[in-house]
Amino acid sequence: GIQVEQSPPDLILQEGANSTLRCNFSDSVNNLQWFHQNPWGQLINLFYIPSGTKQNGRLSATTVATERYSLLYISSSQTTDSGVYFCAAAYNTDKLIFGTGTRLQVFP
Amino acid sequence: GAGVSQTPSNKVTEKGKYVELRCDPISGHTALYWYRQSLGQGPEFLIYFQGTGAADDSGLPNDRFFAVRPEGSVSTLKIQRTERGDSAVYLCASSSAGGPYETQYFGPGTRLLVL
Repeated sequence: GIQVEQSPPDLILQEGANSTLRCNFSDSVNNLQWFHQNPWGQLINLFYIPSGTKQNGRLSATTVATERYSLLYISSSQTTDSGVYFCAAAYNTDKLIFGTGTRLQVFP
Repeated sequence: GAGVSQTPSNKVTEKGKYVELRCDPISGHTALYWYRQSLGQGPEFLIYFQGTGAADDSGLPNDRFFAVRPEGSVSTLKIQRTERGDSAVYLCASSSAGGPYETQYFGPGTRLLVL
């Protein structure tokens, strides 16, 4: 099955900084989602992005399916961006395979 | 309600006991999923329902775990003879119609602690 790897595992930023999180997947996908898990454990949908580029406010994501990676960009980070960011992927199945996440801490 | 809801939010039980965890999906969503998240890990798939039937239960770890969705809406995850290794956050998700092209929306989870 698909394997999903995320990097970096941990990221510490000062408020206002920009960051790039990476997700590599081992096989073709037709479902790729980015989530933010807040400190209370809630998984919040950020993007459904099996290919192409999307933007939502300070966040944007790009998936290059042919090269099997996706990037999540966070600009002008805020303390409320802290938490764990997960990438999850699937191909022709509903079974999402999650990476181990990137833990982001943003300090004022 | 607007989102996926799960009850209880926390459950503490003793080894060997039986527990039931409930999930109420987004209204109108036909697909429902259960995942389990251990500390420091990403969620792992357990089972997927399309309507009332389990379309994929390949992630259930053993026969102590069972899930039902009798009316195609609310689902219950049942764990018999709980073990300390079952301690985790159990997450439920739903999607509009199921399939790989759908976004899955997650509930807040039930934190299960087996003593």
